[in-house]
Amino acid sequence: EVQLQESGPGLVKPSQSLSLTCSVTGYSITSNYWGWIRKFPGNKMEWMGYISYSGSTSYNPSLKSRISITRDTSKNQFFLQLNSVTTEDTATYYCARSRNRYNPHYFDYWGQGVMVTVSS
Amino acid sequence: DIQMTQSPPSLSASLGDKVTITCQASQNINKYIAWYQQKPGKAPRLLIRYTSTLESGTPSRFSGSGSGRDYSFSISNVESEDIASYYCLQYDNLYTFGAGTKLELK
Repeated sequence: EVQLQESGPGLVKPSQSLSLTCSVTGYSITSNYWGWIRKFPGNKMEWMGYISYSGSTSYNPSLKSRISITRDTSKNQFFLQLNSVTTEDTATYYCARSRNRYNPHYFDYWGQGVMVTVSS
Repeated sequence: DIQMTQSPPSLSASLGDKVTITCQASQNINKYIAWYQQKPGKAPRLLIRYTSTLESGTPSRFSGSGSGRDYSFSISNVESEDIASYYCLQYDNLYTFGAGTKLELK
């Protein structure tokens, strides 16, 4: 069974970088697309970006200057880095798998999410 | 980028009611819309993909329809386990979520 698990600090100071890891079991990240999505306290959900089976990336234009998604195929993990965070980046962060192997599609498997608070 | 206007923001229903949620895209999304259910503290659960295809395990009381810019999602015979928030997601061009609809019991 495909399982995803997010991990990382729950508290980040303003202006610093937020770094999260998504550990995947039961499926190789060298197939499909793998995304990061966040849910804000007001319940708005935002797609942040994805990394593909080949390692190519695509980002939400609203975040493009601050975001980086990378991977370690040997550990079957992918990572989110968001720079210069503000309190507006406080959210629950999810990693998820896109169903289709060769094109970005809807997300079918999700992690449980990790709450990240940006505060001094 | 594509905007998704989801309504209503909240719904109050009695057990056994039929409820409908709509999502309107800012442009044609070619039926590339999915619907998710989310309960507090849980990950979103995929219910419907490509407008109307039920994901494995989704009860038949859930349904979806639409084309072009306009899409709807319905629950017939609302059950207590359906109390949750629901989101649409367009995946025709990158991804955009709707604002969500919170379903509550009347």
